Amino acid sequence: EIVLTQSPGTLSLSPGERATLSCRASQSIRSTYLAWYQQKPGQAPRLLIYGASSRATGIPDRFSGSGSGTDFSLTISRLEPEDFAVYYCQQCDSTPFTFGPGTKVDIK
Amino acid sequence: QVQLVQSGPEVKRPGSSVKVSCKASGGTFSTYAVSWVRQAPGQGLEWMGRIIPMLGVAIYAQKFQGRLTITADKSTGTAYMDLSSLRSEDTAVYYCARDPTTDGYIYWGQGTQVTVSS
Repeated sequence: EIVLTQSPGTLSLSPGERATLSCRASQSIRSTYLAWYQQKPGQAPRLLIYGASSRATGIPDRFSGSGSGTDFSLTISRLEPEDFAVYYCQQCDSTPFTFGPGTKVDIK
Repeated sequence: QVQLVQSGPEVKRPGSSVKVSCKASGGTFSTYAVSWVRQAPGQGLEWMGRIIPMLGVAIYAQKFQGRLTITADKSTGTAYMDLSSLRSEDTAVYYCARDPTTDGYIYWGQGTQVTVSS
């Protein structure tokens, strides 16, 4: 089973600041199979990034993804009020399709 | 416009079973896999398993082997998640999602609250 580790667990930032979230895999993942999601309380997750770096339809360009192999990252260039949420990475390279434990981005 | 509509909340006794449905509309149901993901209160997302309706083949996370059955009815465009021998730790919101494998889970059901309590 591929284990995903996300860091930091919580990121406290102010609107307008830059956020960089990390996702590390226990073994190499093909970039095609790495996705990022945003989740707000009481809502289903929302796909942000697929294929490690492709933005999903309707996702603002302040969200970007990068990385390969075992190290991936999600960057939010300038935090908007609606970006404060929990972010998860997921790998679909091999079953079980595991999620990371999440990074909470909260308001400083 | 693809929509996934799940069945309503359930309250179950420990040791019983629960079956949650996920009906798809729009798009082609049989072509894409459907995955089930759960989220316990205050916890993260946990992938449970998936099925490719066209093939009728399901794959399960090891943790749920023997307790979880995922099925799909191509005629109605509905996927089902059946979890048995319920315990309190199974209390969670259960989501279905269309799973194209390479492009991320764009479409999600609204979630079904399952509460296991004596």
